[in-house]
Amino acid sequence: AQSVTQPDARVTVSEGASLQLRCKYSYSATPYLFWYVQYPRQGLQLLLKYYSGDPVVQGVNSFEAEFSKSNSSFHLQKASVHWSDSAVYFCALSMTNSAGNKLTFGIGTRVLVRP
Amino acid sequence: AQTIHQWPVAEIKAVGSPLSLGCTIKGKSSPNLYWYWQATGGTLQQLFYSITVGQVESVVQLNLSASRPKDDQFILSTEKLLLSHSGFYLCAWAGDSGNTLYFGEGSRLIVV
Repeated sequence: AQSVTQPDARVTVSEGASLQLRCKYSYSATPYLFWYVQYPRQGLQLLLKYYSGDPVVQGVNSFEAEFSKSNSSFHLQKASVHWSDSAVYFCALSMTNSAGNKLTFGIGTRVLVRP
Repeated sequence: AQTIHQWPVAEIKAVGSPLSLGCTIKGKSSPNLYWYWQATGGTLQQLFYSITVGQVESVVQLNLSASRPKDDQFILSTEKLLLSHSGFYLCAWAGDSGNTLYFGEGSRLIVV
C-alpha cells in the first residue's frame, strides 16, 4: 500500500531564511507527487506537482521540490520565506492508473515564519 | 477558467440532525469530483468520488452518503449527524487528464 510520511509536524523559521520541508513516500512504481498549501480556514492550493522528467520542479510563489527515486523523497524548498508563507503544507501521492484518483496525504507540516 | 464553489461555508449542527453540503464546479464539463474530510488539525481522507452523473463510489464509510444529481454538482449528506462528523469537508475536481486535484474552499462543520 502507498503511504506518505512528513516527519516534521512543525517548523519555525525566521523571515528571509530558507525552508525545507521533507516528504518520503512508499509506492512500488513512480507515483504522481504533489505539494499543497493550506492557509488558515481555507482549502488546499496546489503548489507544484511531479510525475516525470526533470526531478526539480518549480511551483508557485518561488517554491520548488526535488524528486529522488533512490531516496523515495520529494522535498519542498524555498530560498527565502516571507511571513505570508505561514501555513500547513501537505505532501501527497497519487497512484498511476488509479480508479478514482485517490490522493494519499501526509499529516502535514505546520510552518510558522517569525518576523 | 474553472471555478469550484462549496456551500455552506460553515455550519454548527446538533447530533442527530441532518446535513447537506454542496459543491458546484463551473467551466469544466463532465468533471471527476471528489469529497475529502479533514479532522481538525489532521490530514485529509477521501470519502467519495464520482466520474459521471448518477454514479458515486464510496471510499470510506463514515455514515455519510454522496450524490451527483447534475454534471456540475456533488452533494454530501447524512440523515443523522454524529460528533465524529465534525471537521472540514473539501470538494475537489480533477484536472490535467485526471492526475491533479484542485480543491474548493471547504465547509467547516461543528457537531454539538
